[in-house]
Amino acid sequence: GQQLNQSPQSMFIQEGEDVSMNCTSSSIFNTWLWYKQDPGEGPVLLIALYKAGELTSNGRLTAQFGTTKKDSFLNISASIPSDVGIYFCAGQSNAGNMLTFGGGTRLMVKP
Amino acid sequence: DVKVTQSSRYLVKRTGEKVFLECVQDMDHENMFWYRQDPGLGLRLIYFSYDVKMKEKGDIPEGYSVSREKKERFSLILESASTNQTSMYLCASSVGTGYGYTFGSGTRLTVV
Repeated sequence: GQQLNQSPQSMFIQEGEDVSMNCTSSSIFNTWLWYKQDPGEGPVLLIALYKAGELTSNGRLTAQFGTTKKDSFLNISASIPSDVGIYFCAGQSNAGNMLTFGGGTRLMVKP
Repeated sequence: DVKVTQSSRYLVKRTGEKVFLECVQDMDHENMFWYRQDPGLGLRLIYFSYDVKMKEKGDIPEGYSVSREKKERFSLILESASTNQTSMYLCASSVGTGYGYTFGSGTRLTVV
């Protein structure tokens, strides 16, 4: 099945640094979602975006729905050790209920 | 908040065994999904269901079957477990189009 192109695949950063990751697709999506998976757990929804150009924040996290509807971005400011995990983007069209997932970005934070 | 509960966090099974992975959600969601997650391969859809007794194949259904006899329960069955089915299995549910999925905590299955 189709996967979104998510980059980078992994990041190893210093505590306090800002983080950016993105997802791109060849198809249009009407909803973009960002999930975080803590080690040994299932993914948990962080942010949902429903409108092109929308910018939404959740604490230190900010996500944007690209104006072309083919991409989305997630930024994390002032990273802390508990930000460690895998971040997944997901797109959802109106054609059905299926989510299309990115391959994930593994974030590691050095204290 | 909706809760998706997977019956086991860790399982170790022998090659050739029949394995049942159970998933229950408590918010009356129509849609339920089974994924497997492997390093470098992301989340791959095995099967999904839009209604009771209804099932659809995902991207990698070979070697698996599913059962949905009640709306809240979606079971994944490994008919004859093999070592290449060692993986993290994630169940998810959703209420409909435009809503994200709620995932369970996962079952880490090791087949020896």
